[in-house]
Amino acid sequence: TQLLEQSPQFLSIQEGENLTVYCNSSSVFSSLQWYRQEPGEGPVLLVTVVTGGEVKKLKRLTFQFGDARKDSSLHITAAQPGDTGLYLCAGAAPDSWGKLQFGAGTQVVVTP
Amino acid sequence: SAVISQKPSRDICQRGTSLTIQCQVDSQVTMMFWYRQQPGQSLTLIATANQGSEATYESGFVIDKFPISRPNLTFSTLTVSNMSPEDSSIYLCSVEIYRGNPNYGYTFGSGTRLTVV
Repeated sequence: TQLLEQSPQFLSIQEGENLTVYCNSSSVFSSLQWYRQEPGEGPVLLVTVVTGGEVKKLKRLTFQFGDARKDSSLHITAAQPGDTGLYLCAGAAPDSWGKLQFGAGTQVVVTP
Repeated sequence: SAVISQKPSRDICQRGTSLTIQCQVDSQVTMMFWYRQQPGQSLTLIATANQGSEATYESGFVIDKFPISRPNLTFSTLTVSNMSPEDSSIYLCSVEIYRGNPNYGYTFGSGTRLTVV
């Protein structure tokens, strides 16, 4: 089992501040995905990164995949209350064919 | 991407009983995945369900406890058998978003919040 360590576990910030969530592993992933989950709902896919060094932007969210494809980060600029949620990273190991390994999640709370 | 309807959304069950959770997908999919999310924790894969064959279970999960059906390419059920309070969790089904899609990943149902008393 490839472990994904996600940090921090909890983040509480004021509206307008920036934040970064990290996802690290000692193993290589063929792809890494970021999800956001709100109470009473299933996780919703935000982005998938597959190439080492890749950077993807989704409005105020910036996702990076490490060069060695072992780690990733999610950076939110000028956070808004609507960004509140549980952020999960999930990695697909090579030859895992569909099986995802999830990180423990980061609970983000953005207060007005 | 596919839309998943999962039911029930929540239930409170007596210990020793069983609950069957249903997932309906609005398109045909090869594999469906069942996850468990215990309170305050992340998602753990229970099993992978393919149509026409037995489900493949992950370490720590067995068919007698979590029997799965996959009668066709749009539907699957997960049964939580002989429940105990430790089975209280959110159970989620998931399907793969088409690999040719730039945002390849997975779509999840809204989950079934199970409380065993």
